[in-house]
Amino acid sequence: LAKTTQPISMDSYEGQEVNITCSHNNIATNDYITWYQQFPSQGPRFIIQGYKTKVTNEVASLFIPADRKSSTLSLPRVSLSDTAVYYCLVGDLGTGANNLFFGTGTRLTVIP
Amino acid sequence: EAGVAQSPRYKIIEKRQSVAFWCNPISGHATLYWYQQILGQGPKLLIQFQNNGVVDDSQLPKDRFSAERLKGVDSTLKIQPAKLEDSAVYLCASSLVGTTTDTQYFGPGTRLTVL
Repeated sequence: LAKTTQPISMDSYEGQEVNITCSHNNIATNDYITWYQQFPSQGPRFIIQGYKTKVTNEVASLFIPADRKSSTLSLPRVSLSDTAVYYCLVGDLGTGANNLFFGTGTRLTVIP
Repeated sequence: EAGVAQSPRYKIIEKRQSVAFWCNPISGHATLYWYQQILGQGPKLLIQFQNNGVVDDSQLPKDRFSAERLKGVDSTLKIQPAKLEDSAVYLCASSLVGTTTDTQYFGPGTRLTVL
């Protein structure tokens, strides 16, 4: 079971780039890395997903080193609305509950 | 496109009572998930359906929790009898086919308080 470790919290000023790192030392060959964002009183929302190297979309980048034992979510130029909890999820969605595990999450606070 | 719908949004019951939660996934999504999120923790997957069949329910406390997805669309999660430790937000999510790279779309959740 590929459990994950993330920092509990981070603070950042508006306009800065934020990097949140997730450790997943026991990641399996078929596992993908997915990041979700969760605001209070809402369900998590998909941000980005990757298997290796670098993935970029309109809201974030995901960096995965060759050994895949960690990953870094990069949020460029954060705003106050990016204040949320960010979860790193490692697993193979096709194999059911035993292989899906949300980490503890990182509470990001963006400061004006 | 309509999102995942859940009801009720809030429920307060006393321990040993029964409660049921309802979920309507995004139209056309074959895979449906139920999660339990205790305050301050990440969501924990309870059960995964593929159409109307169970893919995995190994983390579902079957002595008191049950779930069904009749006709492969809506789903109901039931707790009977409830315990204090069941107080949590119950999230429903759906995805198109449930493969490795499939995106899960979450509903707003049902906040359960057991007194």
